[in-house]
Amino acid sequence: DAGVTQSPTHLIKTRGQQVTLRCSPISGHKSVSWYQQVLGQGPQFIFQYYEKEERGRGNFPDRFSARQFPNYSSELNVNALLLGDSALYLCASNGLAGGRVSTDTQYFGPGTRLTVL
Amino acid sequence: GQNIDQPTEMTATEGAIVQINCTYQTSGFNGLFWYQQHAGEAPTFLSYNVLDGLEEKGRFSSFLSRSKGYSYLLLKELQMKDSASYLCASALSGGYNKLIFGAGTRLAVHP
Repeated sequence: DAGVTQSPTHLIKTRGQQVTLRCSPISGHKSVSWYQQVLGQGPQFIFQYYEKEERGRGNFPDRFSARQFPNYSSELNVNALLLGDSALYLCASNGLAGGRVSTDTQYFGPGTRLTVL
Repeated sequence: GQNIDQPTEMTATEGAIVQINCTYQTSGFNGLFWYQQHAGEAPTFLSYNVLDGLEEKGRFSSFLSRSKGYSYLLLKELQMKDSASYLCASALSGGYNKLIFGAGTRLAVHP
């Protein structure tokens, strides 16, 4: 079975632009979470979606938004890009207990490396 | 507040044993995950502990003490391919999936 897939792999944008990142969860998984990982740091939680509804939001500005589609894939949008948004953006999916319990193991995709110039 | 601490870097010799420690202070604690992350790659799941004690899985073992806010990952019979970052993450209760990650420990295994 395919794991979590993300596109694109790499992206270069300039300050002020907007970006959309995409994620497809493992088949059968209904929950998708997004994390930002700055170089040398651990991932930071941005959003969790389950059954197309936002279930959790981290401490990120409103420039960050996301949505989940009926097929459980997800998009992360970032507007008005700043230099500090340069990071690896990770998507994780999980399937047990419908995403309601934080002890469900999350499986990560390969990430999208975003560089803001 | 939410805080997770782990050493920044460690080095070890091939074939040896290494212990990576993690201390946490998180409200709503609901278990402790360990992930392995090779450079430029996604984190991969290693272990999960919610009860006190040691969980063994092949060459890797993980320990948790909830009363002390402490966990460790034990790697035995180290191999060169074990060179990676090891991320400690606290799972939070609250009805949704949220992991609080430490900054990671970069392990370098030398011949």
